[in-house]
Amino acid sequence: EVQLVESGGGLVQPGGSLRLSCAASGFTFSSYWMSWVRQAPGKGLEWVANINQDGSDKYYVDSIKGRITISRDNAKNSLYLQMNSLRADDTAVYYCARDYCTNGACFPGSYWGQGTLVTVSS
Amino acid sequence: EIVMTQSPATLSVSPGERATLSCRASQSVRSNLAWYQQKPGQAPRLLIYGASTRATGIPARFSGRGSGTEFTLTISSLQSEDFAVYYCQQYNNWPPLTFGGGTKVEIK
Repeated sequence: EVQLVESGGGLVQPGGSLRLSCAASGFTFSSYWMSWVRQAPGKGLEWVANINQDGSDKYYVDSIKGRITISRDNAKNSLYLQMNSLRADDTAVYYCARDYCTNGACFPGSYWGQGTLVTVSS
Repeated sequence: EIVMTQSPATLSVSPGERATLSCRASQSVRSNLAWYQQKPGQAPRLLIYGASTRATGIPARFSGRGSGTEFTLTISSLQSEDFAVYYCQQYNNWPPLTFGGGTKVEIK
């Protein structure tokens, strides 16, 4: 059974940093692109970043590019999101998802974690 | 960046009725469009990709159509478990992948 379990969320002060993790199981992690998607309270979905199978290709949404880094450790079946210089508007549930790739694009597919809440507040 | 616009924001439908949701792209995304369903407190679920291909395990009452800039998701006969928020997402021009603002399907 495919499982994705996020962790690392919590309360952080503005300007602080946080590293989110996503532990994958039930599939060959190193064979898949992976994404992070976030959802602010009561708002819609926003794709944040994705990464290819060996970590050599990474893509980010412009609005937070430069403040975040996506990475992975295939030996540990884990995906990460390092977030720096956090702002109040980064407050959201952060989901990891296994990507589905077709037609030269990769996007969140059928497997998502339950999400981890990041709250940026003083 | 391609902007995705969904309408209506809220759709009130009785169980057993048909629901039709719309999604418009600010420029052509060909057929590179996905639909997701999200229930309160849950992660999104992929319903449709390629504008009209159902994802694994998705019931046949969900259907998608369209190409270019205009897309629809139809739920042929609403079941109680279908009341949720639905999002479209384009993957033609990325990054970034962009979602629409969502349509909430509520019980009439």
